[in-house]
Amino acid sequence: NAGVMQNPRHLVRRRGQEARLRCSPMKGHSHVYWYRQLPEEGLKFMVYLQKENIIDESGMPKERFSAEFPKEGPSILRIQQVVRGDSAAYFCASSYSGTDTGNTIYFGEGSWLTVV
Amino acid sequence: AQSVTQLDSHVSVSEGTPVLLRCNYSSSYSPSLFWYVQHPNKGLQLLLKYTSAATLVKGINGFEAEFKKSETSFHLTKPSAHMSDAAEYFCVVSDDWKVDNDMRFGAGTRLTVKP
Repeated sequence: NAGVMQNPRHLVRRRGQEARLRCSPMKGHSHVYWYRQLPEEGLKFMVYLQKENIIDESGMPKERFSAEFPKEGPSILRIQQVVRGDSAAYFCASSYSGTDTGNTIYFGEGSWLTVV
Repeated sequence: AQSVTQLDSHVSVSEGTPVLLRCNYSSSYSPSLFWYVQHPNKGLQLLLKYTSAATLVKGINGFEAEFKKSETSFHLTKPSAHMSDAAEYFCVVSDDWKVDNDMRFGAGTRLTVKP
């Protein structure tokens, strides 16, 4: 059973371009979470999605950031018109809804975005 | 709402000596508590979790943590540090009842292991 898969692992974008980060959850998982880790800071929750629904986006910046988790395919975190402050590691995590107890979530290896 | 405080941003120990990483939490409900480890340029790996079963939780790589409700603490310990333990450690709390699996991360503790 493959873990949470994120790609690309490293992405470089010029200011003003768009960044797309992809996350494939673990098999059987229908809950996806995105976190951002800024340099020298901890992890910050961004958004929580279930299939085709955004459940909690309280951590998402109001502008330029969006996320989706379609019925088919990976979850996408999209950042439009990137700025240098968007440079960070973005972590995706997934969990299984149902009988899993303890709200255990499993993380991907992260996507490092560098804006030049 | 739940929150978590990691009391030390940096901890430095010598190889072979005990490790103690401190974590205090607040939660309105019966919490689930976790410790994750992050090695440089890597994702987060679950070390251990507490989910209202035994209060002393054993994890991977010789780590363990004890849930103390009276002290609202969930400190991470290891009897003998290894060089490979050098990493960032995150304490995480989640309110068990919430269906949205809202997890709150501490700011992290960077563990340095000296030879």
